[in-house]
Parts: sequence; structure tokens; C-alpha cells
Amino acid sequence: EVQLVQSGVEVKKPGESLKISCKGSGYRFTSYWIGWVRQMPGKGLEWMGIIYPSDSDTRYSPSFQGQVTISADKSISTAYLQWSSLKASDTAMYYCARLSGSYLPRWFDPWGQGTLVTVAS
Amino acid sequence: QSVLTQPPSVSGAPGQRVTISCTGSSSNIGAGYDVHWYRQLPVTAPKLLIYGDNNRPSGVPDRFSGSKSGTSASLAITGLQAEDEADYYCQSYDSSLSSSVFGTGTKVTVL
Repeated sequence: EVQLVQSGVEVKKPGESLKISCKGSGYRFTSYWIGWVRQMPGKGLEWMGIIYPSDSDTRYSPSFQGQVTISADKSISTAYLQWSSLKASDTAMYYCARLSGSYLPRWFDPWGQGTLVTVAS
Repeated sequence: QSVLTQPPSVSGAPGQRVTISCTGSSSNIGAGYDVHWYRQLPVTAPKLLIYGDNNRPSGVPDRFSGSKSGTSASLAITGLQAEDEADYYCQSYDSSLSSSVFGTGTKVTVL
């Protein structure tokens, strides 16, 4: 079974750094792009960016370029999303998902269970 | 604000048919890029419902269908059931942004 398991709930203060993870299993991790999606409280889905774990080729949405860093460690089949200095506006649920399809836009399937990040002083 | 616009809400009685529109422009749906649809039940991760405009993944009932014309796409749900009460999102690619985008989302209510 293809599965993505994300790291747990995070509660941080403004200005702190954070790295959340997404571990893939049940498939060849290096053969599929992995993406990250933000959902702020009560709001819709936002496409943040994607990474190809085989060579770490990374693409960002213009809205998130420079705000977050997406990385991957193919030796442990894990993708990451990190912030160097959190803001209160980063409070959201963050989902990772595997991308499928041979051409744009690829679709997300399956999804991780989500990581809730709360940033508050 | 997304470049793909959906109605905030649609509703229908059990057994009825509802449709959700996803309106884009010449730089996304109108450029021929595929549209995918997701369903998000309350307090759960989204799940793929339709890919490549009108293809259903294994396990998705044929009550769900997708279509596309011009700069818009639609998701139709026939035989509406209480379990269909959820948020629905479209997704496509925008060449101006060089990025995939999600629609604004639609909440389906079963009366």
C-alpha cells in the first residue's frame, strides 16, 4: 500500500525555525514527485511546491518562493518542508502528497494525514 | 485569491444531481491543461476524485464525473448522498504562474 506519513503537531513561537517531514512507503520513492499543500484555518488548499527526490529538482509556487524550503533525503524516503523564521501567518495544516501523471499538471494521490503547525507567542 | 474560481457552496436533496464549476482563463484551463478534482471530508486530508478531466481512480463511484469546455471545467455528482457533504477543489496548471493551482473550493451541502 502506498502511504505517506507526516510528522506530528508542532507549536512554535514567532521567529523560531521548523522542519516537518513526510515519509513515503510502499513505492519507489525516487520515481515520483512529492508536493506540499497549505491549508490555513477555515480556508482552501494552496499549492506550495514540489520536489523530485531522485535529483532534488525543486519547484515553488511564486507565493511561497523564498518563504519555505523543500528538501528530501532519498536514503530514508523522506521529504521535508522547513521555515527559518516562523510567523503567526504560517499557522496552518500542511499536507504532503505524491504526484502522479506524466505531464502537467500532475495530480496528488495519495495524501499524507497532515501536520498542524501553530505559531503563537 | 486563486486563478481558478469555484462557487462557495452548492446544495441538493438526496438523490439529486449537483454540479460544481471551476472557471479559469486562457493561461490555465483554456490553454488545454488537465483539471483534477479532490474531495475533502471534514477534518480529513483531501482525496483524489477525478484526474485528467474525466477519469475516476479505482474505488470512486461512477456517480462522480468530470467535464471541460473552453476556460471552465465541471464536476457532477448524481444520486447525491449524505456522505457527499464535503468540500470539493479543482486543480490545474497556470502557465503565467508556472505553477499548479487549486480552485477556491466549494462546500456541498445535502439538504
